[in-house]
Amino acid sequence: KQEVTQIPAALSVPEGENLVLNCSFTDSAIYNLQWFRQDPGKGLTSLLLIQSSQREQTSGRLNASLDKSSGRSTLYIAASQPGDSATYLCAVIGGQAGTALIFGKGTTLSVSS
Amino acid sequence: DAGVTQSPTHLIKTRGQQVTLRCSPKSGHDTVSWYQQALGQGPQFIFQYYEEEERQRGNFPDRFSGHQFPNYSSELNVNALLLGDSALYLCASSLATGQAGNTIYFGEGSWLTVV
Repeated sequence: KQEVTQIPAALSVPEGENLVLNCSFTDSAIYNLQWFRQDPGKGLTSLLLIQSSQREQTSGRLNASLDKSSGRSTLYIAASQPGDSATYLCAVIGGQAGTALIFGKGTTLSVSS
Repeated sequence: DAGVTQSPTHLIKTRGQQVTLRCSPKSGHDTVSWYQQALGQGPQFIFQYYEEEERQRGNFPDRFSGHQFPNYSSELNVNALLLGDSALYLCASSLATGQAGNTIYFGEGSWLTVV
């Protein structure tokens, strides 16, 4: 059974800091890993998609890496801003889970000004 | 280009009642999935519809059922509501499953409170 773990569960940083969010998964036979952002009481916004054949993807201040063999992904946020405050969710698809996205519980980020 | 739209946004039901939630996928998408998200948890997969058929189902009881229409929109039905069904219900859409590189998009969700 695929399990996704995100560390840390919560993180507080001052504005301007660079930070890393971690995601690990138990079944490496995935074909995509996707990072999402969720604001309180809202739906999910897709940030980055990494295919299993890729090592990383970048969008603006965000960079996501994937090490499929070790079952790990990281989301790097450069020069954090108060507007980055949200919960960040990692999800994988493929392998034992088939076509279902399997999510971690998320990392709640708070960026203070 | 409209994204994934869900209705209603909020609703309150009584235990034992039935509820129907609706979803219109992103334009051009043919696959719809439903997820349940309890407070403080990641979303849990309920089921997925493709070509009007349930393609895959998560670990949810038969009280949860769904439908996909020819225009790819979808409904989630929950019968005999329990207090534990209170959650945010999220709809996700994508192109045909099984293809790497297909980004999955989510709607804003429907908040269900069972009292």
